[in-house]
Amino acid sequence: QKEVEQDPGPLSVPEGAIVSLNCTYSNSAFQYFMWYRQYSRKGPELLMYTYSSGNKEDGRFTAQVDKSSKYISLFIRDSQPSDSATYLCAMSGGNNDMRFGAGTRLTVKP
Amino acid sequence: DAEITQSPRHKITETGRQVTLACHQTWNHNNMFWYRQDLGHGLRLIHYSYGVHDTNKGEVSDGYSVSRSNTEDLPLTLESAASSQTSVYFCASSGQGIGYTFGSGTRLTVV
Repeated sequence: QKEVEQDPGPLSVPEGAIVSLNCTYSNSAFQYFMWYRQYSRKGPELLMYTYSSGNKEDGRFTAQVDKSSKYISLFIRDSQPSDSATYLCAMSGGNNDMRFGAGTRLTVKP
Repeated sequence: DAEITQSPRHKITETGRQVTLACHQTWNHNNMFWYRQDLGHGLRLIHYSYGVHDTNKGEVSDGYSVSRSNTEDLPLTLESAASSQTSVYFCASSGQGIGYTFGSGTRLTVV
């Protein structure tokens, strides 16, 4: 079993839809939870991060962490074609021990 | 502006040849990492360094080596390239903050 599981998709939604991306993990030592966005033929870029449990909102993006269920989510409201990318979850115990999910490829159709 | 650059962007090499991929960062970050990205596997850690003259093996280090002679550079060497090493390679760095800064990647094909 991988430490971090993420459905690779692909996921295709119409413009304006609410997108839900999820990851599960097995290591209870993880305390920092991140989402990276990766455009085609580019490197991943940090989108959001959350420490421990709870929600964090940044514009159209909301990150949720449920440590009791070892489950994290990223919601994208009013999705735009420019959101089309691969989204990778990542998590760490705080000691440069980052673990990445396989990434979910998202396409938002106009 | 600070940045992390990788070169070359694309490389085709023959089986058995030694190949070196360059990574240079101007963030003054102590921590640097090399990952490979393959379909179905996501990002897998090859080697990492926490400072000058420090290097450590990651989960897929066989056939790869790194050296860190200064803060800015962490070159990745494939000792004898194999077809299984065809992949996209990403360098990343981190400092005191959360998260890594990634380069744009090197697409390596071993024929």
